[in-house]
Amino acid sequence: DTAVSQTPKYLVTQMGNDKSIKCEQNLGHDTMYWYKQDSKKFLKIMFSYNNKELIINETVPNRFSPKSPDKAHLNLHINSLELGDSAVYFCASSQVGTAPDTQYFGPGTRLTVL
Amino acid sequence: AQSVTQLDSHVSVSEGTPVLLRCNYSSSYSPSLFWYVQHPNKGLQLLLKYTSAATLVKGINGFEAEFKKSETSFHLTKPSAHMSDAAEYFCVVTLSGSARQLTFGSGTQLTVLP
Repeated sequence: DTAVSQTPKYLVTQMGNDKSIKCEQNLGHDTMYWYKQDSKKFLKIMFSYNNKELIINETVPNRFSPKSPDKAHLNLHINSLELGDSAVYFCASSQVGTAPDTQYFGPGTRLTVL
Repeated sequence: AQSVTQLDSHVSVSEGTPVLLRCNYSSSYSPSLFWYVQHPNKGLQLLLKYTSAATLVKGINGFEAEFKKSETSFHLTKPSAHMSDAAEYFCVVTLSGSARQLTFGSGTQLTVLP
């Protein structure tokens, strides 16, 4: 009964490959997010989707493409992986309109690019 | 614009002694403020949140934080540290009522000594 789940938990791959990370939430929230946590543990938002529509798109290379098949899922696809993409990626969800709408985070996916 | 500064990157305390993790924020509007905790190789867990109601906010595991507008601070405290409190703590700010655009502090690593 995990609220926000991500798969895989660990992902090791070679430079130049394409990979996807999946996120699912069972909280009934209407907004989902992707964050990147770098090696210094700094967290920065990458994308946000509300009801399957993109509402936040920070300065992220276009090799990163989020896809939301429905409001319970937000997947992250990364093309042509680079060494600098190595990080922990967190998915989160919230219900916009609550006061304040608290974000609930998944366990993270540790991506290592060799 | 909004920002948050965590004044200490590392804090070390002895078990049973008080914990103080400092956070200052900057926000053009009335902010909402959060503290999240990240245990090693785990996701982010919400400790507590300030929503412009009571200025003293109680969270889980005996933590609390006080919102001081005059000092633009939201410091996290606990009267008595436990070994299980050792983790990374993040102070987070967002515009009041909207958690869409969370801005994270750089984190404070709490070490609890036996």
